Amino acid sequence: AQTVTQSQPEMSVQEAETVTLSCTYDTSENNYYLFWYKQPPSRQMILVIRQEAYKQQNATENRFSVNFQKAAKSFSLKISDSQLGDTAMYFCAFRPGGGADGLTFGKGTHLIIQP
Amino acid sequence: DVKVTQSSRYLVKRTGEKVFLECVQDMDHENMFWYRQDPGLGLRLIYFSYDVKMKEKGDIPEGYSVSREKKERFSLILESASTNQTSMYLCASRLRDTISPLHFGNGTRLTVT
Repeated sequence: AQTVTQSQPEMSVQEAETVTLSCTYDTSENNYYLFWYKQPPSRQMILVIRQEAYKQQNATENRFSVNFQKAAKSFSLKISDSQLGDTAMYFCAFRPGGGADGLTFGKGTHLIIQP
Repeated sequence: DVKVTQSSRYLVKRTGEKVFLECVQDMDHENMFWYRQDPGLGLRLIYFSYDVKMKEKGDIPEGYSVSREKKERFSLILESASTNQTSMYLCASRLRDTISPLHFGNGTRLTVT
């Protein structure tokens, strides 16, 4: 079974700063996918970014980027130029490469952006 | 635009009642999922379905069942609600291909008294 660990239950930074959320996972799979989801107070889960394990290049989406270290089984999310609207719960998630399985989620990091 | 609709945003039920949580997606997705979300525990998978009438247990299926009679609809059933089932329930769906992300509904906050 896979496990996903987010070691920071809560983080707080000032607006415009850069913040990094950590995520580690444990798996014996070689082919898999990793995701970061954001859940603002509205409760809607929103996909932030995804990474395919066989791709060495780190994924980026505008101000969001990941540092994917496959050997270390680490998948951190960096948010640059943070904005008030980035305040949310952030969940790291894992899925094996085959099958119909759902995602395995970490426990989440509550990120607060201070004005 | 992709849409996953959960029938209720808030629900209050009594212990012992049979509870139905409904989820409909309009994206012709093959795979559908039910998660529960609790503070400090993240999201945990209850059941999922990869086709009509097919279902698979997730990590915490005890006390729950599911029904998928049509491709677009996936129902979660609490046969006899208990207070420890008070939680946020999230429905999600995705295409069958492996890279496709999950699309979530807005969640149903269920309180069992």
